[in-house]
Amino acid sequence: DGGITQSPKYLFRKEGQNVTLSCEQNLNHDAMYWYRQDPGQGLRLIYYSQIVNDFQKGDIAEGYSVSREKKESFPLTVTSAQKNPTAFYLCASSMGRGLAKNIQYFGAGTRLSVL
Amino acid sequence: AQSVTQLGSHVSVSEGALVLLRCNYSSSVPPYLFWYVQYPNQGLQLLLKYTTGATLVKGINGFEAEFKKSETSFHLTKPSAHMSDAAEYFCAVSVPSGAQKLVFGQGTRLTINP
Repeated sequence: DGGITQSPKYLFRKEGQNVTLSCEQNLNHDAMYWYRQDPGQGLRLIYYSQIVNDFQKGDIAEGYSVSREKKESFPLTVTSAQKNPTAFYLCASSMGRGLAKNIQYFGAGTRLSVL
Repeated sequence: AQSVTQLGSHVSVSEGALVLLRCNYSSSVPPYLFWYVQYPNQGLQLLLKYTTGATLVKGINGFEAEFKKSETSFHLTKPSAHMSDAAEYFCAVSVPSGAQKLVFGQGTRLTINP
């Protein structure tokens, strides 16, 4: 089955710890995205990547880092600089070209909590 | 810059009643518009999209939406609500060119009363 896989489903972070959220897609999509979801605030863009080895900051990039070494993978690291990391994190991908380039497909999410 | 406003963070309707979820957008260029649905603790699923052409678009699960440029609106409707429609709904906008980013509204939680 083609799709986007996020892992783990639940993650706990200790004070001062960096944690990494995994996002893998087998849709052969060029573009990938990370969003943060907080109650009542919709989804906010953290980082996005339109092509391998390139990525751009979104609206709330502070305290986060990403890499895009492979087309199918776009891991997100929540660093200790992110003081309020508790949220639901969603990864998405899109074709990046053609008429369907703006249609984003989402993974099932990772819920991050602070211990 | 684009923005989206969803009127009403919570909407409650009776089973069998009309569902109307409101979305207004702001965009300096002709936008692409989307509605997504999210069930508890899950990702987002695309309901429908408007890109170009016919302004009334039909989606999955009996939902439809109409793009009204003069009103900068893209309201989501369903003639008869079903219990399984209970979820959170997000309206989103993007521009056809550029970085393909989506800007989301704050979401509307739909509750269906038996």
